[in-house]
Amino acid sequence: DIQMTQSPSSLSASVGDRVTISCRASQSIANNLNWYQQKPLHAPRLLIYTASTLQTGVPSRFSGSGSETNFTLAITSLQPEDFATYYCQQSYITPITFGQGTRLDIK
Amino acid sequence: QVQLQESGPGPVKPSETLSLTCIVSGDSLSTSSWSWIRQSPGKGLEWIGYIYSSGNTRYNPSLNNRLTIALDTSRNQFSLTLRSLTAADTAVYYCARRHRRDKSGPYFFDSWGQGTLVTVSS
Repeated sequence: DIQMTQSPSSLSASVGDRVTISCRASQSIANNLNWYQQKPLHAPRLLIYTASTLQTGVPSRFSGSGSETNFTLAITSLQPEDFATYYCQQSYITPITFGQGTRLDIK
Repeated sequence: QVQLQESGPGPVKPSETLSLTCIVSGDSLSTSSWSWIRQSPGKGLEWIGYIYSSGNTRYNPSLNNRLTIALDTSRNQFSLTLRSLTAADTAVYYCARRHRRDKSGPYFFDSWGQGTLVTVSS
């Protein structure tokens, strides 16, 4: 199985800050990497697919980059609604696997 | 707009069989593939399996011998059956659409149900 490792596991930031979340795959997955946002008691929401393509309706302050084994989710100018848990997910090969999540809290 | 809605039994007992249904609206089962994903309380996301519009399936090997995913095209819904339940199967179960932007592109889960909590307890 491909292991997806996110860092950090948790992060505190303030409204207006820029934050980055890293995701590392245990083997190359090309650009088969997706990012999701999940708020408490809600289903995950697709933010970015194929490493860097913004899903329709997602604000442009979200961006993704990377390829092969190293990927980054960046959020510029944090808004109150961005405080949530973020997951990366590889779709390169089954079993599909997710990172363990990064919880973003208000400082 | 695609919408998915899970329905399930709520509490179930150990060793019993779980049956969940996902009703799809706004899309046909024939145009995408369809997945189940679960999340144990306070934990991360675990992919369970998916089914193609053809009816072919791919399952997580960790569940393979207990799992069946099936389509019901007449009702535009798909189902999950998980046998021999244990407490470790307690989770919120989500159904999701597995989609891609074009025929050669990678896949992603772009539409999700709201999730249904399944508690396995005697």
